[in-house]
Amino acid sequence: AQSVTQPDIHITVSEGASLELRCNYSYGATPYLFWYVQSPGQGLQLLLKYFSGDTLVQGIKGFEAEFKRSQSSFNLRKPSVHWSDAAEYFCAVAPGGSQGNLIFGKGTKLSVKP
Amino acid sequence: EAGVVQSPRYKIIEKKQPVAFWCNPISGHNTLYWYRQNLGQGPELLIRYENEEAVDDSQLPKDRFSAERLKGVDSTLKIQPAELGDSAVYLCASSPGQSGNTIYFGEGSWLTVV
Repeated sequence: AQSVTQPDIHITVSEGASLELRCNYSYGATPYLFWYVQSPGQGLQLLLKYFSGDTLVQGIKGFEAEFKRSQSSFNLRKPSVHWSDAAEYFCAVAPGGSQGNLIFGKGTKLSVKP
Repeated sequence: EAGVVQSPRYKIIEKKQPVAFWCNPISGHNTLYWYRQNLGQGPELLIRYENEEAVDDSQLPKDRFSAERLKGVDSTLKIQPAELGDSAVYLCASSPGQSGNTIYFGEGSWLTVV
């Protein structure tokens, strides 16, 4: 069965430091991959998505993610974190090339130290 | 452009009582989703509509949950009777429908069953 693993439940970084959130998926073929962010009490906002082509994708708010087929990974990165980036981040996969059923990881909560 | 609108935002009910959530998707979006997000977890799909047809309700607990999308626009998700384990955030989302299009989430309806 398809699954998404986010190994880190909670990460704390200092403001201005770089960030990498890990995501691994389990799926036979190349799925559609997504990163969403959820601020407290809010819905989910799409940061970026990968369907095909260039394996390094750029998203909103200065985020990027790199798809590595050999590692079944889709890690999210940001070179310099801002205090407003504190939120929960979800990696998701859409098996079968369709967004009909997004399968989410359990999320990684990001805290930012001043 | 208005986003996905959900109501109520918060609801506290006693177990065995009924509850209903309403969702108004983004205008023109044919596909509507209901997801459930338990505390500390990622969202899980309950049901997906294409216009007024439920095309994927395999994860909907049909003994107590029901949903409808009359006229292919607004949707209602009902739980009757509610159980303690139903405490969660119920997220509605919509998309234009074609594969590859972004799914937009509402802010969610927070349910607490006591």
